[in-house]
Amino acid sequence: AQSVAQPEDQVNVAEGNPLTVKCTYSVSGNPYLFWYVQYPNRGLQFLLKYITGDNLVKGSYGFEAEFNKSQTSFHLKKPSALVSDSALYFCAVRFQGDTGRRALTFGSGTRLQVQP
Amino acid sequence: DSGVTQTPKHLITATGQRVTLRCSPRSGDLSVYWYQQSLDQGLQFLIQYYNGEERAKGNILERFSAQQFPDLHSELNLSSLELGDSALYFCASSPTGTVNEKLFFGSGTQLSVL
Repeated sequence: AQSVAQPEDQVNVAEGNPLTVKCTYSVSGNPYLFWYVQYPNRGLQFLLKYITGDNLVKGSYGFEAEFNKSQTSFHLKKPSALVSDSALYFCAVRFQGDTGRRALTFGSGTRLQVQP
Repeated sequence: DSGVTQTPKHLITATGQRVTLRCSPRSGDLSVYWYQQSLDQGLQFLIQYYNGEERAKGNILERFSAQQFPDLHSELNLSSLELGDSALYFCASSPTGTVNEKLFFGSGTQLSVL
């Protein structure tokens, strides 16, 4: 079964420090992996995706994520956190064999709190 | 601004009632998705349409139905509402609905069932 897990409900980090938001997945095939961010009272916004190729993916607002096939992980990272990065982050997965009968499956979300 | 428009932004109604949520996708996008976000269930996929046809179905209740019209806007109909249907309902769109496309989300409709 296709699933995605975000093991941390909340991550706290000080401004200027590196941040990591964790995501692990389970799919019966090669995955397409996504990160989205949700700011208060807003819809989700796309950050980045892994389809194929380089395991390190760079996205919007200085975020990047590393695809690790052996650990089935796709952790979101940023070298230096900003207070404005505080938001709810969602990892999502599909797999390449998907004929379109299943849409994007989202994790439960991780709230990132960046302290000044 | 994602280009996806959802109306209304807020909806307050009573149990047993029926409501309609509306979504206009980004210009040129043919595929529309509906998601339900609640505190206990997280973000749940309900249904996807592509160019007027249903493409994928998720955890959508039988009391709920949706359609996509020729002008590509979509409506989600929720009937016989229960307290547990209170949630934030998101619409998203993408150009062709293929597996590697990013989704563009609207700001959502907050439904409160009293």
